[in-house]
Amino acid sequence: QVQLQESGPGLVKPSETLSLTCTVSGGSISSYYWIWIRQSPGKGLEWIGYIYSTGTTKYNPSLKSRVAISLDTSRSQFSLNLSSVTAADTAVYYCARGFAVGGKGWNFDYWGQGTLATVSS
Amino acid sequence: DIEMTQSPSSLSASVGDRITITCRASQGISSWLAWYQQKPGKAPKLLIYGASILQRGVPSRFSGSGSGTDFTLTISSLQPEDFATYYCQQANSVPLTFGPGTKVDIK
Repeated sequence: QVQLQESGPGLVKPSETLSLTCTVSGGSISSYYWIWIRQSPGKGLEWIGYIYSTGTTKYNPSLKSRVAISLDTSRSQFSLNLSSVTAADTAVYYCARGFAVGGKGWNFDYWGQGTLATVSS
Repeated sequence: DIEMTQSPSSLSASVGDRITITCRASQGISSWLAWYQQKPGKAPKLLIYGASILQRGVPSRFSGSGSGTDFTLTISSLQPEDFATYYCQQANSVPLTFGPGTKVDIK
């Protein structure tokens, strides 16, 4: 059974960088998309971006200038860095596995439990 | 960006009821649509992808239909464990986007 687990600080100061890691167990990193999604009361579910197992990345244009997603296949981990955070970045952050059908159709079949990241001084 | 809307935003129903939730995309997305169920404090769970393909392990009382811009999720006989919030997600193009959700609660 594939499992994902987010880890990282729950409190980040404004203007600093939010860093989260997702550890994948029970399955291979290969041939899947590794996703970050966040959920806040004000904005609902928001796709942040993905990294494919080959290292290709795609980001939400609304966050693109501040986001970086990286992959460490040796540790079965992928990470999110979101820079210059503000209170608007306070949310529950989920990592997820995505699969595509016919080269698109990205669907998220396994999710972490989510981790609350609060931006506050 | 493709905007997703859902209706209704909430509904009250009884165990055994048949319910339908509608999702509309702001532009055509073929059949690239997924449905998720989320319970309080939990991550969303994939129910349906490709508009109508049931994810492994999901009960057959869930079904999806539609293509282009209009889609529906139907639960044929609502069970106690189905009371939750349901989201649609377009899987056609980046940025991937979600609907605002439909909360299903007990009448």
